[in-house]
Amino acid sequence: NAGVTQTPKFQVLKTGQSMTLQCAQDMNHNSMYWYRQDPGMGLRLIYYSASEGTTDKGEVPNGYNVSRLNKREFSLRLESAAPSQTSVYFCASSEALERYYEQYFGPGTRLTVT
Amino acid sequence: AQSVTQPDIHITVSEGASLELRCNYSYGATPYLFWYVQSPGQGLQLLLKYFSGDTLVQGIKGFEAEFKRSQSSFNLRKPSVHWSDAAEYFCAVGLLLFSGGYNKLIFGAGTRLAVHP
Repeated sequence: NAGVTQTPKFQVLKTGQSMTLQCAQDMNHNSMYWYRQDPGMGLRLIYYSASEGTTDKGEVPNGYNVSRLNKREFSLRLESAAPSQTSVYFCASSEALERYYEQYFGPGTRLTVT
Repeated sequence: AQSVTQPDIHITVSEGASLELRCNYSYGATPYLFWYVQSPGQGLQLLLKYFSGDTLVQGIKGFEAEFKRSQSSFNLRKPSVHWSDAAEYFCAVGLLLFSGGYNKLIFGAGTRLAVHP
């Protein structure tokens, strides 16, 4: 099993460009999440999807959109990238939303917006 | 507001020495507590978790953590550090946002561990 995979690993964008970060999991998990990691701030939740067909905002959703394409895939879209979105983005999944379910993380996408 | 504090940004230890990484949380109810490790260029991996019961929990890679309710702490320990333990360590608290049981994790800012040979 690959677990949680993310593409691309690295990306450089110019301000105003758009892009989609892809995430897939092969663990048959119901819930998926997108986080961003910034120095000194830990991880912050952008959006989550409790189950296929549902998505909800997390702590820092502004400037992002998501799509839960099917049970396996959960994408994050930046419509008009800004330098403040320079970060490392992690996708995660868990069996369900209940708080005792462990979250499994992908390797991350390092995004730079110039 | 709920928060997680990791007071040490960087820690350096010698290989073979003992290690303790501190974590304090602010949360009104009994939290679900986690420690994750992030090796360079990698995602986060769960080391251990505490939900209830015995307050001393064992994890992978020889790590353990102790939940102390009176101190609102969940410190991570290892008796003898190996060079491969050099990584960033994150403490996290699992919260209920609403009665449905949303698995929100609040992360601390992380502690970067360096290991000297």
